[in-house]
Amino acid sequence: EAQVTQNPRYLITVTGKKLTVTCSQNMNHEYMSWYRQDPGLGLRQIYYSMNVEVTDKGDVPEGYKVSRKEKRNFPLILESPSPNQTSLYFCASRGDGYEQYFGPGTRLTVT
Amino acid sequence: SQKIEQNSEALNIQEGKTATLTCNYTNYSPAYLQWYRQDPGRGPVFLLLIRENEKEKRKERLKVTFDTTLKQSLFHITASQPADSATYLCALDVDTGRRALTFGSGTRLQVQP
Repeated sequence: EAQVTQNPRYLITVTGKKLTVTCSQNMNHEYMSWYRQDPGLGLRQIYYSMNVEVTDKGDVPEGYKVSRKEKRNFPLILESPSPNQTSLYFCASRGDGYEQYFGPGTRLTVT
Repeated sequence: SQKIEQNSEALNIQEGKTATLTCNYTNYSPAYLQWYRQDPGRGPVFLLLIRENEKEKRKERLKVTFDTTLKQSLFHITASQPADSATYLCALDVDTGRRALTFGSGTRLQVQP
């Protein structure tokens, strides 16, 4: 089954404790991205990657890092999480068409 | 500034009626527009894409129109069912360089049995 997976689905952590949210897709897509979704603000792109070793900032990149060492994986790294990064995070991939396939989401709470 | 507007108020309709959702945008010239469905706590699911040179697109009970002069898209669900209850997001391609989609905040649809 074609899908995007994310782990963990839920995470509660404390300020400053580094964390990584993993993302993997099995559709051989070149383009992947991370979004955060907050009430009233909609989905906002954090980072994107057009291919292996090619990443760039989206609309709200501050406080986040990404890497793309393999085509299928695109982890999101929060080096020093802060409470304003409490949000619902989605990984997405896009194939040759224009539609994006989203993962199930990771709900992050930073206390 | 660039903006995508969807009705933030929930739309409540009776089962069997046609639901019509609106997406308005300003200061964009998108090459295409997409509609997604999102259920609570889940990722958005792609429904339809319509290009700037297309006026209308259909898929089963769904219909999308795209008026680049009015800068508006309408999303219709005919013969609506309670299972259609969800939040519907419109998204525009506004930066073809980074292939980014910019999303509206969504409209919640509630179909009453």
